[in-house]
Amino acid sequence: GQNIDQPTEMTATEGAIVQINCTYQTSGFNGLFWYQQHAGEAPTFLSYNVLDGLEEKGRFSSFLSRSKGYSYLLLKELQMKDSASYLCAVSDSNYQLIWGAGTKLIIKP
Amino acid sequence: EAQVTQNPRYLITVTGKKLTVTCSQNMNHEYMSWYRQDPGLGLRQIYYSMNVEVTDKGDVPEGYKVSRKEKRNFPLILESPSPNQTSLYFCASGTGDLAVGEAFFGQGTRLTVV
Repeated sequence: GQNIDQPTEMTATEGAIVQINCTYQTSGFNGLFWYQQHAGEAPTFLSYNVLDGLEEKGRFSSFLSRSKGYSYLLLKELQMKDSASYLCAVSDSNYQLIWGAGTKLIIKP
Repeated sequence: EAQVTQNPRYLITVTGKKLTVTCSQNMNHEYMSWYRQDPGLGLRQIYYSMNVEVTDKGDVPEGYKVSRKEKRNFPLILESPSPNQTSLYFCASGTGDLAVGEAFFGQGTRLTVV
């Protein structure tokens, strides 16, 4: 079966760095997405990786290793507003999006 | 402002009473989709539409209907809601298939069926 694994919850301190991991087993691969979802709100797009490597976008970076079925989202200089759930989603060989259950990130002062 | 608008935001209804959740986007997107989000599970696609008058089943279509008569609107219809349809529903749109491009989500509709 197809599967996306993310930690359920993580805690980090304001100003620090946190890495949220996502591992996947899917039938084929056509890209990996990260979305941010604040409690009670809509998911918003963060990144889309198709090729291996690190893509940086301000305080947020996303890394992909297709051979390992692995990605991570790196958040630097954490702010209280970064408290949210982070959703990983993989596009499989049929261009179906498989979503992880999300990682709830709690930022403490 | 570019947005996807869902209504209502909250709805409590009784088993068997037909309801419609509306979704409208003002970005001229061709692709629209409905998802449900349940605790501990990833988003699951209910139905999607690649253009006007073109709709297709997603992963969990049972108990739902959709229509796409105009490009901007994609309503979700529950003909006879049941308690297992209690969930948080999101409408999303994109310039193309959401599996290869950014999805724009509505604010969500929290549905409770008693």
